[in-house]
Amino acid sequence: DQQVKQNSPSLSVQEGRISILNCDYTNSMFDYFLWYKKYPAEGPTFLISISSIKDKNEDGRFTVFLNKSAKHLSLHIVPSQPGDSAVYFCAASAAGNQFYFGTGTSLTVIP
Amino acid sequence: SAVISQKPSRDICQRGTSLTIQCQVDSQVTMMFWYRQQPGQSLTLIATANQGSEATYESGFVIDKFPISRPNLTFSTLTVSNMSPEDSSIYLCSVEVLAGRKETQYFGPGTRLLVL
Repeated sequence: DQQVKQNSPSLSVQEGRISILNCDYTNSMFDYFLWYKKYPAEGPTFLISISSIKDKNEDGRFTVFLNKSAKHLSLHIVPSQPGDSAVYFCAASAAGNQFYFGTGTSLTVIP
Repeated sequence: SAVISQKPSRDICQRGTSLTIQCQVDSQVTMMFWYRQQPGQSLTLIATANQGSEATYESGFVIDKFPISRPNLTFSTLTVSNMSPEDSSIYLCSVEVLAGRKETQYFGPGTRLLVL
């Protein structure tokens, strides 16, 4: 059973606009969430994380929002750049235990 | 889709010993990958393991230290040999499933290793 879901397999956004990638989870015990970016033929790269005690974490153009009541997190990229085109994975863990990954959303930023 | 299980989920090991991590997939897949995530760092690809061929190791990783087996299309093992505290990490296996022209990557739950 997929405990972390990314329901949009792909997303296209115009350069300069906002990209919003969504992630839903089912386990209310998850307390740490991460976003990874993956280019073709490379391993995923850590992007940003958030713990359950916060509802927002910002790092430059990247902001992650956590809505615990809805069991939903989102990654906002603004402004989007062509170099942001990649596959984005969200992941979650509970009390430092196992990771659960979503299946990824492929983002294309159109110049 | 693909459901991946890993054994063990976590272990505490003594320096100088070896640990073999198993990765089982519920469907046949050609490409399997082994990753390591050290504390505070990104996932790092260790090697690609395709059934019927030798594993391909990334720069900085060698077969003597991380021998990999891939006996069939649903199973792989990664051994961490002659462990040192620097090997303390989370080890994840991953598979890539091709459906039509779309590739989707799935990750296992990870094996949390602590070397004392």
